[in-house]
Amino acid sequence: DAMVIQNPRYQVTQFGKPVTLSCSQTLNHNVMYWYQQKSSQAPKLLFHYYDKDFNNEADTPDNFQSRRPNTSFCFLDIRSPGLGDAAMYLCATRDGYAGTDTQYFGPGTRLTVL
Amino acid sequence: DQQVKQNSPSLSVQEGRISILNCDYTNSMFDYFLWYKKYPAEGPTFLISISSIKDKNEDGRFTVFLNKSAKHLSLHIVPSQPGDSAVYFCAASARYGGSQGNLIFGKGTKLSVKP
Repeated sequence: DAMVIQNPRYQVTQFGKPVTLSCSQTLNHNVMYWYQQKSSQAPKLLFHYYDKDFNNEADTPDNFQSRRPNTSFCFLDIRSPGLGDAAMYLCATRDGYAGTDTQYFGPGTRLTVL
Repeated sequence: DQQVKQNSPSLSVQEGRISILNCDYTNSMFDYFLWYKKYPAEGPTFLISISSIKDKNEDGRFTVFLNKSAKHLSLHIVPSQPGDSAVYFCAASARYGGSQGNLIFGKGTKLSVKP
């Protein structure tokens, strides 16, 4: 089945220790997104890639960076995690050529910062 | 400022009855609306969508109604089943309004369907 995969599902890191979250997709979608979701909050868009074009939301902290080495993979790097960065991180994809705004999400990575 | 609002954090319904989840929006440029369902420790799953050129879209037990003049949409689940218990997110985009296909989400409504 075509899908969006996120690894790891659970990540524990220490305050200030860099961490990388990964996302891969078999949907061959050209658009990929990273969201941060905290408890009882709406998913908050951090970045998105339209093909290779990188788009950074204005209020995404500099501490967060992203890489997309190819169509299938996308990474979220948190350079110096703080306690406030503990959250669920969601990756999503969309077929930008299909004329629909429907996004398909992975299962998420739950990040804990100690 | 929240552009998509789900004012009920939670809803409890008896199995077999109708569940009605509501969503309001403020941006008149929104022209595409979606509902997602999310179980704990999982990502949101796409449920149903509606374009602003329609006022109703149905898929099995799920129907979404759109009232553009009131900037309001609702999701009806009939009949409700215990497996429907989840958090439901409303989302909107301004496809022709320069949003680049990005979705704006509400905070979600937690639905509990009791046997």
